[in-house]
Amino acid sequence: EIVLTQSPGTLSLSPGERATFSCRASQSVDSRYFAWYQQKPGQAPRLLMYGTSRRATGIPDRFSGSGSGTDFTLTITRLESEDFAVYYCHQHGGSPYTFGQGTKLEIK
Amino acid sequence: QVQLQESGPGLLRPSETLSLTCTVSGDSISTYYWSWIRQSPGKGLEWMGYIYRTGSTHYNPSLKGRVTISLGTSTSQFSLKLTSVTPDDTAVYFCARQVGDDPFDIWGQGTKVTVSS
Repeated sequence: EIVLTQSPGTLSLSPGERATFSCRASQSVDSRYFAWYQQKPGQAPRLLMYGTSRRATGIPDRFSGSGSGTDFTLTITRLESEDFAVYYCHQHGGSPYTFGQGTKLEIK
Repeated sequence: QVQLQESGPGLLRPSETLSLTCTVSGDSISTYYWSWIRQSPGKGLEWMGYIYRTGSTHYNPSLKGRVTISLGTSTSQFSLKLTSVTPDDTAVYFCARQVGDDPFDIWGQGTKVTVSS
């Protein structure tokens, strides 16, 4: 099983700042099968990025993803109030599919 | 617009069988892959398994043979069964769609299931 470890656990930032989320895999992940999700309280996760760097439908260009192998990054430039949520990385290239434990982005 | 909706009992006793249904609108389950994913404070997000339009299935080994995903009698439903539940199976259960090699793009709102004596 591919274990995904996210850091930091919590990110405290202000609107307008830049957020960087990290996800490290216990073994190499094919970048085609790496994604990021955003989840707000009481809601299902929402797909943000897929194939490491491709934005899902309706996701603004302030969101970007990068990485390869075992290290992946999600970046949000110019944070807006609606961006404060929990972010999860996900791999669906190896079975079982797995998720990271999440990074909470909170308002500073 | 594709929407998924989970339904089923919210409270179970230990050793009972959890049965949930996912109703799909705006799409047919005769396309793509359809998964069940659960989320609990202790285990986070856990993929349980998927069913393909042909009826073939693939499960997470961590569930040790307790899980069965099946297509419904209509083209708009698929189901989850989890046997011999324990309090560790308490979670919010989501159904989700996966198109080809892409990740889960559409999720249901989730249904909370509590296992308690």
